[in-house]
Amino acid sequence: GIQVEQSPPDLILQEGANSTLRCNFSDSVNNLQWFHQNPWGQLINLFYIPSGTKQNGRLSATTVATERYSLLYISSSQTTDSGVYFCAVFTGGGNKLTFGTGTQLKVEL
Amino acid sequence: GAGVSQSPRYKVTKRGQDVTLRCDPISSHATLYWYQQALGQGPEFLTYFNYEAQPDKSGLPSDRFSAERPEGSISTLTIQRTEQRDSAMYRCASSFGRNNEQFFGPGTRLTVL
Repeated sequence: GIQVEQSPPDLILQEGANSTLRCNFSDSVNNLQWFHQNPWGQLINLFYIPSGTKQNGRLSATTVATERYSLLYISSSQTTDSGVYFCAVFTGGGNKLTFGTGTQLKVEL
Repeated sequence: GAGVSQSPRYKVTKRGQDVTLRCDPISSHATLYWYQQALGQGPEFLTYFNYEAQPDKSGLPSDRFSAERPEGSISTLTIQRTEQRDSAMYRCASSFGRNNEQFFGPGTRLTVL
């Protein structure tokens, strides 16, 4: 099946710093989502992004489907950004999500 | 409803007992999904429903796991004769359909002693 790898696996930032998280996938996909799993375990939708670039406040995402990767940019990080970031690609004819390995982010004061 | 809801939020059971988890999807969504998330990992697909139909149950780990959605809205996931390895977060999601954005509920944390 498709492999979805995320990097880096762990990241520690000072508040106010910027970062880029990467998601590589081993086969072509129709669509992709980014999620933030906060420290309370909630899985929050960030982006639904098959291709191109989207922005939402301090976050933006870019998917280059032809090259099989997606990037999540976090600018001016805040402590509330801490948690695990997952990308997930649509597989099984678009009827299931295959999640990546995750990036654990900690933002410190 | 406004979002996906799940109950109970936490369940502790003894090995060998049966448990049933419930999911109430977003009301306008035709498609409902179940995922299992082990500690420190991403969610893994179990099964999905399109209204009442269950086209894919390839992710169910064993025949002790079953799910239903009899009226095309609320769904239940039942684990019979629970084992310690079943301990995990069970997440439900819903969407308008194939390739549409999936929205997740808060999950049920199952602990099997």
